[in-house]
Amino acid sequence: DGGITQSPKYLFRKEGQNVTLSCEQNLNHDAMYWYRQDPGQGLRLIYYSQIVNDFQKGDIAEGYSVSREKKESFPLTVTSAQKNPTAFYLCASSRLAGGPPVVNEQFFGPGTRLTVL
Amino acid sequence: QQQVKQSPQSLIVQKGGISIINCAYENTAFDYFPWYQQFPGKGPALLIAIRPDVSEKKEGRFTISFNKSAKQFSLHIMDSQPGDSATYFCAASNQAGTALIFGKGTTLSVSS
Repeated sequence: DGGITQSPKYLFRKEGQNVTLSCEQNLNHDAMYWYRQDPGQGLRLIYYSQIVNDFQKGDIAEGYSVSREKKESFPLTVTSAQKNPTAFYLCASSRLAGGPPVVNEQFFGPGTRLTVL
Repeated sequence: QQQVKQSPQSLIVQKGGISIINCAYENTAFDYFPWYQQFPGKGPALLIAIRPDVSEKKEGRFTISFNKSAKQFSLHIMDSQPGDSATYFCAASNQAGTALIFGKGTTLSVSS
């Protein structure tokens, strides 16, 4: 089965704690992304990575960190500096098309719901 | 310029009716416009997508209409069914491997 897995499904964090959300894909996609979803809002980009050992900040990167040591894995750490981390976190991946037309078809995982206690 | 504005915020349609959701964008560099369907507690799933070189794309009961001059695109769901009840997001991007810019979503309820 090809796809994107995220774990855990539910995560609870105490004030001042760092927590790490896992994202793995076996689609052989080059690019991976982390989005945050809040009620009544669209998805907002936190970080993305087009290649191993390289990643770029999105619109709301403050208080988050990522790593990309393997092509199939892109974990997200929510640090204590993130003041309002309660949200639904979505990981996605896409291929970097080899030729025109270039598309950005992103496939999403099932999400992790993070709640701050 | 990076925003995608989506309307309406919520929509109630009778079974068998047509659901229409609209999106507008400003950035003329956008060249990929997907629609995603999301059920509660699940990740979004790609429904249908269009590029600006065509004005319409149809897949089953789902159709995207694209108006390049007006910088607008819309999703039409024909013969809407209760199983279509979900949140729908439009999005746009201009380069592979970069962010999709999402609208804020439309919650569709199809009454039986």
